[in-house]
Amino acid sequence: KQEVTQIPAALSVPEGENLVLNCSFTDSAIYNLQWFRQDPGKGLTSLLLIQSSQREQTSGRLNASLDKSSGRSTLYIAASQPGDSATYLCAVNRRDYKLSFGAGTTVTVRA
Amino acid sequence: DTGVSQNPRHKITKRGQNVTFRCDPISEHNRLYWYRQTLGQGPEFLTYFQNEAQLEKSRLLSDRFSAERPKGSFSTLEIQRTEQGDSAMYLCASSSINQPQHFGDGTRLSIL
Repeated sequence: KQEVTQIPAALSVPEGENLVLNCSFTDSAIYNLQWFRQDPGKGLTSLLLIQSSQREQTSGRLNASLDKSSGRSTLYIAASQPGDSATYLCAVNRRDYKLSFGAGTTVTVRA
Repeated sequence: DTGVSQNPRHKITKRGQNVTFRCDPISEHNRLYWYRQTLGQGPEFLTYFQNEAQLEKSRLLSDRFSAERPKGSFSTLEIQRTEQGDSAMYLCASSSINQPQHFGDGTRLSIL
């Protein structure tokens, strides 16, 4: 069974600081990995998807890396803003359709 | 709005009652997924459809749960004889093959 762990569970930073969110998974035989954002009481917004053959993906201030051999992915958010406050979830896709999620990292960016 | 739509947004019911949720996926997506999320946890996979065929069901989906996707369009998730432990957020997602899953805002179920 695929286990996905996200550390830390919560993070508070001042505005402008760079954010580093970690995700680890136990089974390296993955199809792809996806990072999501979830606001309170809302659904999930897809941020980045990294295919198993890729090392990283970038979108604006977001950059996600993938190291399959060590079972790790890292989401970097540059120059954080109060609007970045949310829960960030990592999900590993092992069979092309079935996402296994971590419990998330709740981020607070202080103005 | 062409995103994934879920109804109702909230459902409060008494234990033992039946409930049904609806999901309307993004129109061009042939895959549809159901997940369940409890407080402080990530979503857990329940089941998925490719077109109208239900291709996998999680062991989390007891015989009180049934999902359908007639004609490969919208989907319904029914829970019979609800229990306290069924209280959760039920999330629906859709995608095309090899593409990211897009989620709706979910239906929050509260069992009294």
